[in-house]
Amino acid sequence: GENVEQHPSTLSVQEGDSAVIKCTYSDSASNYFPWYKQELGKGPQLIIDIRSNVGEKKDQRIAVTLNKTAKHFSLHITETQPEDSAVYFCAAPGTGSARQLTFGSGTQLTVLP
Amino acid sequence: DTGVSQDPRHKITKRGQNVTFRCDPISEHNRLYWYRQTLGQGPEFLTYFQNEAQLEKSRLLSDRFSAERPKGSFSTLEIQRTEQGDSAMYLCASSPGQANNSPLHFGNGTRLTVT
Repeated sequence: GENVEQHPSTLSVQEGDSAVIKCTYSDSASNYFPWYKQELGKGPQLIIDIRSNVGEKKDQRIAVTLNKTAKHFSLHITETQPEDSAVYFCAAPGTGSARQLTFGSGTQLTVLP
Repeated sequence: DTGVSQDPRHKITKRGQNVTFRCDPISEHNRLYWYRQTLGQGPEFLTYFQNEAQLEKSRLLSDRFSAERPKGSFSTLEIQRTEQGDSAMYLCASSPGQANNSPLHFGNGTRLTVT
């Protein structure tokens, strides 16, 4: 099945700096790569996703890049703010009939004021 | 769009007891998923429904677990004879349409503690 690896597991940045989280996947047939943000006591919330027909997608301070050849994709957050502090998960479609998502192990992002 | 609703938010039970969780997906979402999340890990797929049909179950879903979606709307997840290893956050998610790769909308989960 799909194997998704995520790095780093923890990341601390100063407010205003950029943060980058990287994921690799194993199934070359995967074609959809979402990123979720999870705050304490809440479920994961989709923040951005990318499909394999594009290499980059931006939404204000958040961007995702995809390298299908290398089978990795990254989340970039610019001008970080304290409210960006949370756990971030990447995901990729698994090999089940609905290609349900397989998640990475998460990155705890802390933005220091 | 009121979001995905899960009930209860927290459940504490003694080992050996049965528990049942409920999920109300976003209305008109055809697909409903159950995931399990343990501390420090990402969500792990358990099972999913297309309308009322349960189409896939993970190997994580032992025979003590059963899920239903009787009318293609809300879903229940029951765990029989709970074990301490069942302690986790149980997340429900729904997605619209027939296509794979539709975004998942998660609820805030039910946190189960088995003592």
